[in-house]
Amino acid sequence: QSALTQPPSASGSPGQSVTISCTGTSSDVGGYNSVSWYQHHPGKAPKLMIYEVTKRPSGVPDRFSGSKSGNTASLTVSGLQAEDEADYYCSSNGGTSFGTGTKVTVL
Amino acid sequence: EVQLVESGGGLVQPGGSLRLSCAASGFTFSNYWMHWVRQAPGKGLVWVSRVNSEGSHTNYADSVKGRFTISRDDAKNTLFLDMNSLRAEDTAVYYCARGASDWSGIDFWGQGTLVTVSS
Repeated sequence: QSALTQPPSASGSPGQSVTISCTGTSSDVGGYNSVSWYQHHPGKAPKLMIYEVTKRPSGVPDRFSGSKSGNTASLTVSGLQAEDEADYYCSSNGGTSFGTGTKVTVL
Repeated sequence: EVQLVESGGGLVQPGGSLRLSCAASGFTFSNYWMHWVRQAPGKGLVWVSRVNSEGSHTNYADSVKGRFTISRDDAKNTLFLDMNSLRAEDTAVYYCARGASDWSGIDFWGQGTLVTVSS
C-alpha cells in the first residue's frame, strides 16, 4: 500500500503540453495494465480521465492521453486549457494504491 | 445518472466513533465493488477500504485495520463505513467510490464528507 511517486507540480502555458509521471514497482504499475488517472478540482469529486493505461472514458477530451514504460506510467495533457488546472492522481492495484498527486498549473 | 452521496461526517473527539453512509443511485448497486478513499487536509488521496459486490469480502488499509468496518445494504443501495477509536490523523474528507465493472479500478466518485477528529 505504498504511494506511487508523482512530481508535486507541473505547469504549462495555454496550448502547450504537460506530462506527469507516476512511478511504482513491478508489483503495481509495472506488473499490470490497470493504471488509471484522476483529475481533482478542490471541493469536487475526482473524475476518471484515463483507465487501463491508455483508454479514455466517454466524454474525456482526446487531449488527455496515457502511456507506460516499465514501472512508470505517464499522463500527457496536450493543448492545455484553463480548466485543466487541477490536481492529478494516478492509481494502480485495483484502486488500492494512489500516487502522491501532481498540481497542474496553467500559466 | 450515476450518483454517490456521502453523509455522516462531522466533528468527533479522539477515541470516538462515527458512521459514514453513501447513498447510491443511477446504477445497479449490488453488481459493483465499492470503496472508501480519504484525503487529509493539504494531502493526497489515500485508499481506505473496499467491499466486493456480494459483501462477503473486505480489505482495509493498514492504518485503519481493526478500527474501521466497511459494509453494504443492497436493499437500500447504501455503503457504510463504521469508524471506531478515531485519531487526529483520521481527519479527512472521505469519498465513496465505485469499482469499475469491466476493469480493475475506480470509475466514479462521490463529492465526499468531512470528518474532523479533535478535542
